[in-house]
Amino acid sequence: KNEVEQSPQNLTAQEGEFITINCSYSVGISALHWLQQHPGGGIVSLFMLSSGKKKHGRLIATINIQEKHSSLHITASHPRDSAVYICAVSKGGIWDMRFGAGTRLTVKP
Amino acid sequence: GAGVSQSPRYKVAKRGQDVALRCDPISGHVSLFWYQQALGQGPEFLTYFQNEAQLDKSGLPSDRFFAERPEGSVSTLKIQRTQQEDSAVYLCASSLVSGGGSGELFFGEGSRLTVL
Repeated sequence: KNEVEQSPQNLTAQEGEFITINCSYSVGISALHWLQQHPGGGIVSLFMLSSGKKKHGRLIATINIQEKHSSLHITASHPRDSAVYICAVSKGGIWDMRFGAGTRLTVKP
Repeated sequence: GAGVSQSPRYKVAKRGQDVALRCDPISGHVSLFWYQQALGQGPEFLTYFQNEAQLDKSGLPSDRFFAERPEGSVSTLKIQRTQQEDSAVYLCASSLVSGGGSGELFFGEGSRLTVL
């Protein structure tokens, strides 16, 4: 079993819909990261969090340490949000990161 | 440059060829990581440098893989005698903090290697 599991694997939404991507992990962590990967490979860090909730524009990330679960929400989705969203956890420092397989999001106009 | 730069972006190699992939991290970043990402999968750790020291190479899949960062800035990942299973995107990431710290990773665009 992978240490980091994401669901769903693939997600298709209509523009404007509220989107939730889930991440569960099985190890103790120091931080959880949400990353965005566009076609072509480049990865951008969206959030790093160790507790609670963070918000940046239309993106919201939450984490429940007790349940070992995090969610990434996108409000008012737009076609430019189409990308692969990857959850990663740091077991100790950034040296020891484990990545989920990613959720491929497609937002249709 | 402003971000992590990798070259080449795309490389097609014949089986058995040697390849070299370059990573130019953000200036001043202490930590540098190489990851291998197979199609449809998340990145898998290959190796970690703190400045010029290679502190962890446990993720390198075989002795055909070699990485260096001789002056603590630019790094090169070399793959000798490439095999088809080496086909993947190779991602480089750097960070201002050392590997034991908690901080943001900055990724390059990746080098997509296809071995025929």
